[in-house]
Amino acid sequence: AQSVTQLDSQVPVFEEAPVELRCNYSSSVSVYLFWYVQYPNQGLQLLLKYLSGSTLVKGINGFEAEFNKSQTSFHLRKPSVHISDTAEYFCAVSLSGSARQLTFGSGTQLTVLP
Amino acid sequence: DTGVSQDPRHKITKRGQNVTFRCDPISEHNRLYWYRQTLGQGPEFLTYFQNEAQLEKSRLLSDRFSAERPKGSFSTLEIQRTEQGDSAMYLCASSFSARNTEAFFGQGTRLTVV
Repeated sequence: AQSVTQLDSQVPVFEEAPVELRCNYSSSVSVYLFWYVQYPNQGLQLLLKYLSGSTLVKGINGFEAEFNKSQTSFHLRKPSVHISDTAEYFCAVSLSGSARQLTFGSGTQLTVLP
Repeated sequence: DTGVSQDPRHKITKRGQNVTFRCDPISEHNRLYWYRQTLGQGPEFLTYFQNEAQLEKSRLLSDRFSAERPKGSFSTLEIQRTEQGDSAMYLCASSFSARNTEAFFGQGTRLTVV
């Protein structure tokens, strides 16, 4: 079975500052990795995904993440945040080769302060 | 492509009543998933269909929960004899298995049991 740990439940950051949201996973087999964003009372929107290949993955809205197999991490970064980035961010894994059901972390609330 | 559609968006019901939620996936997607999200947590996988076949249902929370996808298109999730602990956001997602792509989520149905 897979599990996901998001180490920070809340991250406040000032506008235009950089941010990193941390994600560690546990799995005995190869996995796919995802970051989703959720705005209040909305569903989840995919930010980026790692399936294979380059370990640095670029997504929408200027976000990127790096897959580190040795550290079993998939941290999300953005060099300069905007007020509109305020949302809940979820890291998720699925078994590789199937992209079936996702196992989610508990989420990180990113709050961008003016 | 109008995205994944869920109906209703909000449902308030009295304890002990039955409720049914509907999900219409993206038209060419053959996989459909149901998740439950409680306050402050990440989504929790419940069940999934490939076409009309329900391939995983062991994660359904109790025998009060059931899901159908009779013609391989839309799906329904029914909760019988609702309890206050069933209050949550119920999310539907769909994907296309042949491309092993990510799941696209609907906006969810928020259930409140009073």
